[in-house]
Amino acid sequence: GENVEQHPSTLSVQEGDSAVIKCTYSDSASNYFPWYKQELGKGPQLIIDIRSNVGEKKDQRIAVTLNKTAKHFSLHITETQPEDSAVYFCAAPNAGGTSYGKLTFGQGTILTVHP
Amino acid sequence: DSGVTQTPKHLITATGQRVTLRCSPRSGDLSVYWYQQSLDQGLQFLIHYYNGEERAKGNILERFSAQQFPDLHSELNLSSLELGDSALYFCASSVVPSGPNTGELFFGEGSRLTVL
Repeated sequence: GENVEQHPSTLSVQEGDSAVIKCTYSDSASNYFPWYKQELGKGPQLIIDIRSNVGEKKDQRIAVTLNKTAKHFSLHITETQPEDSAVYFCAAPNAGGTSYGKLTFGQGTILTVHP
Repeated sequence: DSGVTQTPKHLITATGQRVTLRCSPRSGDLSVYWYQQSLDQGLQFLIHYYNGEERAKGNILERFSAQQFPDLHSELNLSSLELGDSALYFCASSVVPSGPNTGELFFGEGSRLTVL
């Protein structure tokens, strides 16, 4: 099965700084890599995802990069704001099968943005 | 608001008991997934149903079972509860179960189970 490692476990930045969270995965057949944000008392919410046929994807202040050779992908948040404070999870699907919703999640990164 | 509704939000029960968690997916979503979130194990996939049929299983204990009804709501049944079953249980739904167009999972707010 897939194994996803996420670093760092906590990240503290000043408002306006950039934040980078990195994940590695084990299954070279994985081809879909989402990032979820979980705010206190809420369920995870997709913020960006990338498929294996592209190396980078951007959405305003958020970007994800993928290196399939090295089997790692990263989340980049620029110009961080206090409302970016949350727990961020990377994930990858178990290869094969009929369920892409069967995700293996990283352990999460607690991001704190100080005003 | 994701459109996924879970009840109850909080549940406190004793070891050995049985509980049922309920999930209503987003309107039109045929797939329902159950995940368990705990401090030591993180977010773990339990089971996936698509249009009433089981599609995939994760590390779901034999004491746990689930089903999806014709109206597409789903229930997760947890029996012979142990202290270690205390966790947040999330339901998520999506439009399609698999394939290259698969994307977002919409998570509910979870049911927090405390076993005393």
